[in-house]
Amino acid sequence: SAVISQKPSRDICQRGTSLTIQCQVDSQVTMMFWYRQQPGQSLTLIATANQGSEATYESGFVIDKFPISRPNLTFSTLTVSNMSPEDSSIYLCSVAVSGVNEKLFFGSGTQLSVL
Amino acid sequence: EDQVTQSPEALRLQEGESSSLNCSYTVSGLRGLFWYRQDPGKGPEFLFTLYSAGEEKEKERLKATLTKKESFLHITAPKPEDSATYLCAGRNAGGTSYGKLTFGQGTILTVHP
Repeated sequence: SAVISQKPSRDICQRGTSLTIQCQVDSQVTMMFWYRQQPGQSLTLIATANQGSEATYESGFVIDKFPISRPNLTFSTLTVSNMSPEDSSIYLCSVAVSGVNEKLFFGSGTQLSVL
Repeated sequence: EDQVTQSPEALRLQEGESSSLNCSYTVSGLRGLFWYRQDPGKGPEFLFTLYSAGEEKEKERLKATLTKKESFLHITAPKPEDSATYLCAGRNAGGTSYGKLTFGQGTILTVHP
């Protein structure tokens, strides 16, 4: 299994500002993923963060809005830039642990409210 | 485009009243059907991964099954602590994103004592 720590757990931000979310894993993982869960909606993948290379973004998400860093195999950050109220969501970090019973684990999430 | 639909949206049960949650999927070349439990204010907690039709997995009062078009999460004799949102998600065979799951909207389960 994997233990994933996310910080902050919640924040209230002003329109136009940026917030950086941190994700720390207790073991080395090749790929880390960032998801968004908007109110009343299902989870949506924002991007895949690989160590040593640029993040891969899903359709509808761009690097200028959601820059990602992946400095090593246990840590990643997601920045939500130039925030608007539409960015109010839960942001979740996840990692894949391969094996006989493949699992994708999630952190506890960051509840973001933008005023 | 991949699609995952869960039903019902909400389910209220009495303690001990068994039932099933449904997950219908249209996922290209399914490479895993995932079930998660999510409590309020927390991230999804992994429950099961199913890979092929006919496969079943169990954990305590939960049993997940898979057909070619659906997955079911059976809850036997539920307790109030089973109350949570249950999420279903599928991963397709294509693409480069190993961790890209298509999630359903979830079923909110409430178990009354």
